[in-house]
Amino acid sequence: AQKVTQAQTEISVVEKEDVTLDCVYETRDTTYYLFWYKQPPSGELVFLIRRNSFDEQNEISGRYSWNFQKSTSSFNFTITASQVVDSAVYFCALSGFNDYKLSFGAGTTVTVRA
Amino acid sequence: NAGVTQTPKFRILKIGQSMTLQCTQDMNHNYMYWYRQDPGMGLKLIYYSVGAGITDKGEVPNGYNVSRSTTEDFPLRLELAAPSQTSVYFCASSYPERGRNTDTQYFGPGTRLTVL
Repeated sequence: AQKVTQAQTEISVVEKEDVTLDCVYETRDTTYYLFWYKQPPSGELVFLIRRNSFDEQNEISGRYSWNFQKSTSSFNFTITASQVVDSAVYFCALSGFNDYKLSFGAGTTVTVRA
Repeated sequence: NAGVTQTPKFRILKIGQSMTLQCTQDMNHNYMYWYRQDPGMGLKLIYYSVGAGITDKGEVPNGYNVSRSTTEDFPLRLELAAPSQTSVYFCASSYPERGRNTDTQYFGPGTRLTVL
């Protein structure tokens, strides 16, 4: 069974601060996929990134960066120089190679104050 | 492309009523899914479909039914609404590469359902 733990329920920062969201996962699969989704106050789920288990390179996309460490089963997400528009719930999710579903963490609510 | 669309956006039902949540995707994705999101929780899979005419249960299928007669549409049916079905419902679709069952899922905007 797949399990995703997002230990931080809520994070509040002031604009321009960096914020890191932790994601720890459990799986018995040797090949799997990790995802981050953003859910802004409007409610839709926006795909941010997919990472394959065999690719441990970190990734940067603008102010977003992801740190994948297989040794610690973690896939952390950092927002650099946060902005008010980053306020949202962020979900980490996991899917095994032959899974049909995504297993979601409980989400981390990020509030960026002006 | 509109992506994944869902109707209605909001709905209030009385206990025992039935309704169908509509989901349509225009990306020619073969896989489609229904999830529910309860307050403060991640999403849980209700049903999924790997193609027209093929559906299967997810983690929390009780109280729901689905059908998939076309590639584009995947409606979710609630037969006898109960307060426990108060939730936000998301439809998603994906197009896994050959030999895989999983890939990025793209979500619709959600339907907020309240059962009183």
